[in-house]
Amino acid sequence: GQNIDQPTEMTATEGAIVQINCTYQTSGFNGLFWYQQHAGEAPTFLSYNVLDGLEEKGRFSSFLSRSKGYSYLLLKELQMKDSASYLCAFLKAPGNTGKLIFGQGTTLQVKP
Amino acid sequence: EPEVTQTPSHQVTQMGQEVILRCVPISNHLYFYWYRQILGQKVEFLVSFYNNEISEKSEIFDDQFSVERPDGSNFTLKIRSTKLEDSAMYFCASLQGSGNTIYFGEGSWLTVV
Repeated sequence: GQNIDQPTEMTATEGAIVQINCTYQTSGFNGLFWYQQHAGEAPTFLSYNVLDGLEEKGRFSSFLSRSKGYSYLLLKELQMKDSASYLCAFLKAPGNTGKLIFGQGTTLQVKP
Repeated sequence: EPEVTQTPSHQVTQMGQEVILRCVPISNHLYFYWYRQILGQKVEFLVSFYNNEISEKSEIFDDQFSVERPDGSNFTLKIRSTKLEDSAMYFCASLQGSGNTIYFGEGSWLTVV
C-alpha cells in the first residue's frame, strides 16, 4: 500500500527555525516534493528530493532518507508570510505520469 | 516566470449540469494533469495526459469525467453530470518532461448546488 504522514499543525515564532517532518510508504518512488499552500490558493513548488541528503534553497531546506521513508522541510528565519500549509508529496513511479500522492498538509502558524 | 493558467477561477453550477474547466499549461511542457482538493482535505490526483491520451487515472476519475486537448494550448476537464460531491478546487498542472518539477495552476473552484 501507500501512505504519507505529516503533523497536522505546528506553531513557531517569527525569526525562529521550524522543521516539518514527513514519513511515507510506497512501492514505487520517484522523488519527494514539498509544496507551500496558502488558504484558497494553489500549491507552490518549494523543493524536490530524489536522492538522499539535504537540498538547500535560501531559507528553505529539504532532507530525504529513502531507506527510512522520511523527509523533512526546514524553514529558517521564519517570517509572518510563512504561515501556510506545507504539503509533503511523493511522486509515484514512473515519474512522468505525474501521480503525486499528497499528505494532509501541515498548517504552520508563525507568531510574532 | 511561465505559469499554468486556469479558467474560470470560480464556477457555481446546478447538480446534473455539465461543467468544463479550462487550462493553459506552460508552453513547452509535455505532460498535463488534473488534481482536485475538496475543502479541508488533501490534494488528490485525478488524471495524467501525454501525447494526446490518458496515461493514468485514479478511481475518482470515473465515466463522468473526461479530458481533452482540443488544440495546441488548451487542456480541458469535463464533468458530464455534476454531483454535490464534485464541489472542490480543481488544479491543472504540467511537467516539462526533463526534470520532475510539476507546476500547478491557480485552481478553479467548483461549487455544485
